[in-house]
Amino acid sequence: KNEVEQSPQNLTAQEGEFITINCSYSVGISALHWLQQHPGGGIVSLFMLSSGKKKHGRLIATINIQEKHSSLHITASHPRDSAVYICAVPPYSGGSNYKLTFGKGTLLTVNP
Amino acid sequence: GAGVSQSPSNKVTEKGKDVELRCDPISGHTALYWYRQSLGQGLEFLIYFQGNSAPDKSGLPSDRFSAERTGGSVSTLTIQRTQQEDSAVYLCASSLVLAKNIQYFGAGTRLSVL
Repeated sequence: KNEVEQSPQNLTAQEGEFITINCSYSVGISALHWLQQHPGGGIVSLFMLSSGKKKHGRLIATINIQEKHSSLHITASHPRDSAVYICAVPPYSGGSNYKLTFGKGTLLTVNP
Repeated sequence: GAGVSQSPSNKVTEKGKDVELRCDPISGHTALYWYRQSLGQGLEFLIYFQGNSAPDKSGLPSDRFSAERTGGSVSTLTIQRTQQEDSAVYLCASSLVLAKNIQYFGAGTRLSVL
């Protein structure tokens, strides 16, 4: 089973700050997922990436396959970004990509 | 439909009773996933359906849990003889093709076993 660690567990920021959330995993993979879970519980898939960098609006996700590490960045953070951010990985590269192992999540609070 | 639909949104039951949770995936999505999120725990994989293939049930925590998918669309997760440790949010997701597309999640069913 792939072990996933996220840091920090909790993050409080002021509106406008640049945010970084980190995810490390133990076994090489082919793709990594970033998810966002709002206080109401709904989950939105933000990114699925296998190399390099992806950008969507103010969100940027990067991955270093060799170092088994991914980061999620939020530029110009806003209170509506307040949520739990979760990374998820398959068991191993070429393995069953649906058997995701999820990190415990990072609770982000952005204050106005 | 517009998104993944799950029902009921909340379910309170007594220990020992059976419950059924329903998931209606996005139209045309062939892959369907069930996950569980227990209080204080991360998400965990339960079961996966892909088209007409046999489902992967390896994530189901006990034989009290079962799931089926009728006609390649709607799925039902059944928990028999519920226990208090079954209390959790049960999430369903669907995607176009396994591992090649982002998963779209439903809002979940919050199950409370008293």
